[in-house]
Amino acid sequence: DAKTTQPNSMESNEEEPVHLPCNHSTISGTDYIHWYRQLPSQGPEYVIHGLTSNVNNRMASLAIAEDRKSSTLILHRATLRDAAVYYCILRDQAGTALIFGKGTTLSVSS
Amino acid sequence: KAGVTQTPRYLIKTRGQQVTLSCSPISGHRSVSWYQQTPGQGLQFLFEYFSETQRNKGNFPGRFSGRQFSNSRSEMNVSTLELGDSALYLCASSQTWSLGQTTNEKLFFGSGTQLSVL
Repeated sequence: DAKTTQPNSMESNEEEPVHLPCNHSTISGTDYIHWYRQLPSQGPEYVIHGLTSNVNNRMASLAIAEDRKSSTLILHRATLRDAAVYYCILRDQAGTALIFGKGTTLSVSS
Repeated sequence: KAGVTQTPRYLIKTRGQQVTLSCSPISGHRSVSWYQQTPGQGLQFLFEYFSETQRNKGNFPGRFSGRQFSNSRSEMNVSTLELGDSALYLCASSQTWSLGQTTNEKLFFGSGTQLSVL
């Protein structure tokens, strides 16, 4: 079962920042927080991951709460191509499969 | 570097038939995992292979099986197809095997095979 909670959907305007929240209150000390996104008619695509510290890459930033019970994926300037389903996933302590939840469907308007 | 390649892209079968789907991982990747995606259940893990051995298995009936070859290519087979098997089947590759390894390994997914069972 998925161990994360995300809003079903969010909306944004083009070129505005987007903050996608994720709650994971039962996270263990060794769980990494992964984010993947799935564009229409494609397989999921890796976005970013982190353990304790905030992380940045060319696609997004990941802000992790100090108690690690929540995190936020930040898209600094949304584009139409960012419209997708975003999945927040905890990599299981045993290092098993990615367990996908329902994710957040992000809509971006021009 | 070429991405994960899945063939065929679309497939139509009838109930009772069997089907084999193919996945070619990114060059150098030794781990291949399979997922089923349906509108109702979302993405569900099927199994994972590393070095030709199944390392991990999801909660699916024995009709679902797979294998991996020495070149890391993988196939999954579904026997005695049911209407509920209609889904997008996704393959993902990574460099290392998840269990026992660092849990920060990222997966690369193919575009999937859309299977329709009539």
